Amino acid sequence: DAGVIQSPRHEVTEMGQEVTLRCKPISGHNSLFWYRQTMMRGLELLIYFNNNVPIDDSGMPEDRFSAKMPNASFSTLKIQPSEPRDSAVYFCASRPGASNQPQHFGDGTRLSIL
Amino acid sequence: DAKTTQPTSMDCAEGRAANLPCNHSTISGNEYVYWYRQIHSQGPQYIIHGLKNNETNEMASLIITEDRKSSTLILPHATLRDTAVYYCIASGLSSNTGKLIFGQGTTLQVKP
Repeated sequence: DAGVIQSPRHEVTEMGQEVTLRCKPISGHNSLFWYRQTMMRGLELLIYFNNNVPIDDSGMPEDRFSAKMPNASFSTLKIQPSEPRDSAVYFCASRPGASNQPQHFGDGTRLSIL
Repeated sequence: DAKTTQPTSMDCAEGRAANLPCNHSTISGNEYVYWYRQIHSQGPQYIIHGLKNNETNEMASLIITEDRKSSTLILPHATLRDTAVYYCIASGLSSNTGKLIFGQGTTLQVKP
């Protein structure tokens, strides 16, 4: 079975540019999570969706970050405008309906903002 | 969600059992204990989870104490590929989200 698929795997861009990260959750999973990992702060939850609806976005750092889930098989995390401090690895995870079930992670997008 | 405490690092000899401890003394009755690991530059990998009873799967065993204040992840025959950061997370239904809050984890180094 295909796992969580993220694209691109690597992104290098200049500050001020718009960045869009993409995620395809595991088929049949109806919860989706976006995380960010840095050396300083570790793994942080940014936002999560349940049945395509954003439930908790308290981890989104600021208004430059936005996330959407237009359907059950696709989500985007957008940064506009990007800044060097946004450089990190961004992970997407999905989970079946029951909240005690484990999340399964993608391989992440390594983002570098110059 | 309950806070967990893990040792910063551990070593284990290849072929021996690796026993990774975790304290979660403030865990509530409906919170599960989850274990994930992260191998360098990869996404966190789910290992096992449990509520009260001990659990075993093809990767590992999870031993939860009767008072649920601590647990141990056991890798029965560690290999070099088990070298990773292991995260113990207590998360539950109280917030109706099952969000995972990752701490610093235990860096397990398996040595030949």
